[in-house]
Amino acid sequence: SQQGEEDPQALSIQEGENATMNCSYKTSINNLQWYRQNSGRGLVHLILIRSNEREKHSGRLRVTLDTSKKSSSLLITASRAADTASYFCATAYNDMRFGAGTRLTVKP
Amino acid sequence: DAGVIQSPRHEVTEMGQEVTLRCKPISGHDYLFWYRQTMMRGLELLIYFNNNVPIDDSGMPEDRFSAKMPNASFSTLKIQPSEPRDSAVYFCASTTGNQPQHFGDGTRLSIL
Repeated sequence: SQQGEEDPQALSIQEGENATMNCSYKTSINNLQWYRQNSGRGLVHLILIRSNEREKHSGRLRVTLDTSKKSSSLLITASRAADTASYFCATAYNDMRFGAGTRLTVKP
Repeated sequence: DAGVIQSPRHEVTEMGQEVTLRCKPISGHDYLFWYRQTMMRGLELLIYFNNNVPIDDSGMPEDRFSAKMPNASFSTLKIQPSEPRDSAVYFCASTTGNQPQHFGDGTRLSIL
């Protein structure tokens, strides 16, 4: 199985600030995915970065991948209250295991 | 696309009762996953199917838990007998090929 571990466990910021979350993993990967979970809902896929990519952007999201360090980061720029959610990383499509996630709170 | 549909959304039952959770994956998806989420243990993969066949059930906690996928459009997760420690949110997800998983909104299960 392949499991990502996110940190920090919790992050609280003001609206407009940037939020950075990190993910570490242990095995070699083909890709890494980030998911968001709003309270009371299922996970929603945000962005995927392939092992041969170092950085990827999607709107206010920026993901980096360092395969030598087996780590990834998710940056949310100009955060909004609606970004309040838990964020998870995952490193396999099928036998996918999740870490505890990062609980992000964006205060208005 | 209707997305992954789970039912019921909420279930409250007494200890010892049989509980059946249902999932309809996205049409055309050939992988289906069952997860359990609690505050203490986070999001755990219980079992997953490929083309209706169980591939890995190592996450199923006990023999009280069973899952079936009789056809490509339906799966059940059954707990018999249920216990208070089974209280959790149970998610179903589906995917195909090398695509991200699509999650349902979960079933919030409370065992009294």
